[in-house]
Amino acid sequence: EVQLLESGGGLVQPGGSLRLSCAASGFTFSNYAVSWVRQAPGKGLEWVSTINNNGGNTYYADSVKGRFTISRDNSKKTLSLQMNSLRAEDTAIYYCAKNEGQWLAPFDYWGQGTLVTVSS
Amino acid sequence: DIQMTQSPSSLSASVGDRVTITCRASQGISNYLAWFQQKPGKAPKSLIYAAYSLQSGVPSKFSGSGSGTDFTLTISSLQPEDFATYYCQQYNSYPLTFGGGTKVEIK
Repeated sequence: EVQLLESGGGLVQPGGSLRLSCAASGFTFSNYAVSWVRQAPGKGLEWVSTINNNGGNTYYADSVKGRFTISRDNSKKTLSLQMNSLRAEDTAIYYCAKNEGQWLAPFDYWGQGTLVTVSS
Repeated sequence: DIQMTQSPSSLSASVGDRVTITCRASQGISNYLAWFQQKPGKAPKSLIYAAYSLQSGVPSKFSGSGSGTDFTLTISSLQPEDFATYYCQQYNSYPLTFGGGTKVEIK
């Protein structure tokens, strides 16, 4: 059974940093791209970032480019999102999602999400 | 960036109704279109990929169609567990983009 378990969310002040993690199980992690998708309170889904299966390619939404860094450790089956210079508008539930292929591919499984609140 | 526009933004329907949701891309995306279902307080669930292919375990009452710029999601006979918000998403190119969502409510 595919499982994605996010952690690391919490309350952080504007300008602060936070690191999210996603622990994967139930599939060969190194064969698939993985992504972060967020949802602000009461709003729709917004793609944040994707990393390909071997970590050699990454893409970011313009809204987070230069502030967020996606990475993965295939030996530990873990996806991470380092978030710096956080803003109030980054407040959202952050979901980890598995892509069906190695790069540009649809999402097939989602984690339960972790809440990030940016507030003073 | 490719803009995804869903319509309607919300609809009221009764159990047993046939429901159709439309998604339009601002430029052609071939069939690189996915649909997701989200219930309140829950993570999204993947329903359809490649415009019409059902994800594993998704019941056949869900169907998708379309290619290019115009797509539809149809629920053949609405059941109580289908009341949720539905999103389309294109994966033709980065940045990946979602439609604004369609909330399906009970009439």
